[in-house]
Order: sequence, then C-alpha cells, then structure tokens
Amino acid sequence: DAGVIQSPRHEVTEMGQEVTLRCKPISGHNSLFWYRQTMMRGLELLIYFNNNVPIDDSGMPEDRFSAKMPNASFSTLKIQPSEPRDSAVYFCASRDPNRLYNEQFFGPGTRLTVL
Amino acid sequence: ILNVEQSPQSLHVQEGDSTNFTCSFPSSNFYALHWYRWETAKSPEALFVMTLNGDEKKKGRISATLNTKEGYSYLYIKGSQPEDSATYLCAFPGGSEKLVFGKGTKLTVNP
Repeated sequence: DAGVIQSPRHEVTEMGQEVTLRCKPISGHNSLFWYRQTMMRGLELLIYFNNNVPIDDSGMPEDRFSAKMPNASFSTLKIQPSEPRDSAVYFCASRDPNRLYNEQFFGPGTRLTVL
Repeated sequence: ILNVEQSPQSLHVQEGDSTNFTCSFPSSNFYALHWYRWETAKSPEALFVMTLNGDEKKKGRISATLNTKEGYSYLYIKGSQPEDSATYLCAFPGGSEKLVFGKGTKLTVNP
C-alpha cells in the first residue's frame, strides 16, 4: 500500500483565496483525521470521520474551515477565505479498525503558506 | 482537558551522545501511550505503542519506558546519529478514536 496520500505537498496562496487540501487514506482504514501542526500549538486535531461520517469537528477553528469525506477513499479540507494565520502544515491520518490503541498512520502533510 | 506535556521542547546533542526526553500524561484511566518520530518533510512515523506499566520497548538504538502510576514515559537514544534528528511526539488516547499529542521534542544531532 502507498500509505496515506496528500496533495498538494506545498501550497502558497494569497490572503482571501480558497484553498483545498486533499487526502486519500490507506485502503481498508475506516477512520480519517485532519490535523494542523504549528509551532505554537503543536499537532492539533481539527476533525475526524468514521465510515465517512464526521464524528468530532470541535477542533475546526472557525467557519472558514470545512471538511468533507464523500467516500471511503477521499477527503478534502477547505479554507475559504484563507488568512495568513492559517499558514501551517496540515496532516491527514487514517486508522486501521483492526489495530488496537488508536494507532494512526500519517500522510506527508501539506505545507500551506498564506501571504 | 487532557494534557500531554513533553520536555524539553528542543535539544541539541553531539554525534555519539546518548540522550533522553520525557512525556507526561494523566495517570488515571491509562489505556496506551504512543511515540511517533517526525522528520521534516516526511510523515510522522509510529515508533512504539506502550500499554503496560513497566513496559520497555526497543527499536535499534531507541528505547522507551513507561510508568503509568506516575504518568510518564521516557524515550532514550543511545549513541545519537545525525539521522536521528527529528521531532519526537508522544500521544495519549483522548476518548473514542482520538489521540492527543504533546508539542514534541525537537532533537538536533550535530556531526
């Protein structure tokens, strides 16, 4: 398996633009997590899905952020409009339901810079 | 609010030095503790999942211990090499399927 796939790997955009980040989880994993990594806050959970259904979005910072999972193999995280403070590395992770202890497998991340 | 603390925040060592750092977590209702290794521009990679008090796990020159009664885990690196430079994250299950991560210890090994 190729692991969790994220695209793009790098995104540079201007304030006010819409940004869409994409994630393909590992086949057979039924939970998907979106995280944001910053120096100040570390790795914080934004939202997670189980069987394509959003379970907990309490970490989504504000209405400018939205996430969807239309099927088991694809999820998007959208920021509209983007702001400079959204600059961070965004990770997607997925979880194998057959593994104990909530072990998660991470993608390589998308480094977002909003100018 | 679940709190997972890691110290130090960053660490610089010379090649060949041994080093260790700490993860502190709530000691009540312990379930498991995860250690991840994250190299810049790569995916965070699972190192260990620790579940039992007194557990000690080893992977090459890296090992970890667990004390669930006092709520801490140590990660040790013996004879650090430049390729060990990374951020080491610990994580604690935060209810349901979530993991709550510490802010990490950024290790730099100078040649």
